[in-house]
Amino acid sequence: AQSVAQPEDQVNVAEGNPLTVKCTYSVSGNPYLFWYVQYPNRGLQFLLKYITGDNLVKGSYGFEAEFNKSQTSFHLKKPSALVSDSALYFCAVRGFMDSNYQLIWGAGTKLIIKP
Amino acid sequence: GAGVSQSPSNKVTEKGKDVELRCDPISGHTALYWYRQRLGQGLEFLIYFQGNSAPDKSGLPSDRFSAERTGESVSTLTIQRTQQEDSAVYLCAIRGLAANTGELFFGEGSRLTVL
Repeated sequence: AQSVAQPEDQVNVAEGNPLTVKCTYSVSGNPYLFWYVQYPNRGLQFLLKYITGDNLVKGSYGFEAEFNKSQTSFHLKKPSALVSDSALYFCAVRGFMDSNYQLIWGAGTKLIIKP
Repeated sequence: GAGVSQSPSNKVTEKGKDVELRCDPISGHTALYWYRQRLGQGLEFLIYFQGNSAPDKSGLPSDRFSAERTGESVSTLTIQRTQQEDSAVYLCAIRGLAANTGELFFGEGSRLTVL
């Protein structure tokens, strides 16, 4: 069965430090992988995606994510955290053969950046 | 969110009443999704519309939930005889025009509170 795991409910990082939000997945075939961010009382915003090609993908707000096929991971990273990065982050995956384009969602990770 | 308008943004209702939530996407997007997000939780898939195909209703939690969409226009999600456990944010999303990758773009959501 296809699944996405975000093993950390919450991640705390000091402002200016690098941050990592973890995501692992299980899907048949090649995955399409996505990260979304949700600020308080807002809808979800698309951050970045991996489809094919370079394993390191860059997205909005200075975020990047690294696709690791052997570890079936797609961790979200940022070299220097800002207080304004505090939000809820969701990882999602779609199987390459999924004609319904259904995304399988992780449970979300709350990122708290402390000044 | 850009391209998807949802209304009402907030709805407070009494247990047992019916509610209707509206999603108004920009034109040209054939794929539309409804999700439910309970407080502090991840996304629960409810229903998926794709053009004139039969909708995928596999996520609707009970027969009190129904949704309609006419063509590529407005969609409405109706909850009959609301219960307190229906309290959540209901999110509508459209699929990006790069349909082979499947990223979604979300509205701001409708927050439903059932007293």
